[in-house]
Amino acid sequence: EVQLVESGGGLVQPGGSLRLSCAASGFTFSRYWMTWVRQAPGKGLEWVANIKQDGSEKYYVDSVKGRFTISRDNAKNSLYLQMNSLRVEDTAVYYCASGYCSSTSCSRYFDYWGQGTLVTVSS
Amino acid sequence: DIQMTQSPSSVSASVGDRVTITCRASQGISSCLGWYQQKPGKAPKLLIYAASSLVSGVSSRFSGSGSGTDFTLTINSLQPEDFATYHCQQACSFTSLSFGGGTKVEIK
Repeated sequence: EVQLVESGGGLVQPGGSLRLSCAASGFTFSRYWMTWVRQAPGKGLEWVANIKQDGSEKYYVDSVKGRFTISRDNAKNSLYLQMNSLRVEDTAVYYCASGYCSSTSCSRYFDYWGQGTLVTVSS
Repeated sequence: DIQMTQSPSSVSASVGDRVTITCRASQGISSCLGWYQQKPGKAPKLLIYAASSLVSGVSSRFSGSGSGTDFTLTINSLQPEDFATYHCQQACSFTSLSFGGGTKVEIK
């Protein structure tokens, strides 16, 4: 069974930093693109960042470019999101997500989700 | 970047009704569209991918259609467990993905 478990959320002041982690199990983590998606309170979903299987490609939504860094450790089956210069508008539940990968391609839809971790940016 | 616009933002319906939700892309995305269901406090669940393909195990009450810029999610014979928020997602490229604003289906 695929499991994604996020951790690292909490309360942080504007301008502060936080590092989120996502522990993966039940699938061959190193073969999958991984993604962070967030959801502000009462709002819709927002794609935040993607990382390729070997970490060679990373993509970000414009609003976090230069502030957030996505990374992964395939030996530890773990995904990370380093968040710096946090703003009030970054307050959200952050989900780790992934789509099914066959031997030849990976889905860009998200079949697998974690339970989310809440990040609150407030003074 | 591709913007996704869902309408309506909320809809009130009764058990047994048919509900239609639309999603419009700011530019053509072929059939690169998915639909998710989300219940309060839970992660989203993928229902439909490639605009009209039903995920295995998802009820046939759900159907999707459309291509290019205009897409539709239809829920036939609404059941109590279908009251939730529905999100569309364009999935054309890993370089930039995006979601619609969501549609809440509420009990009338």
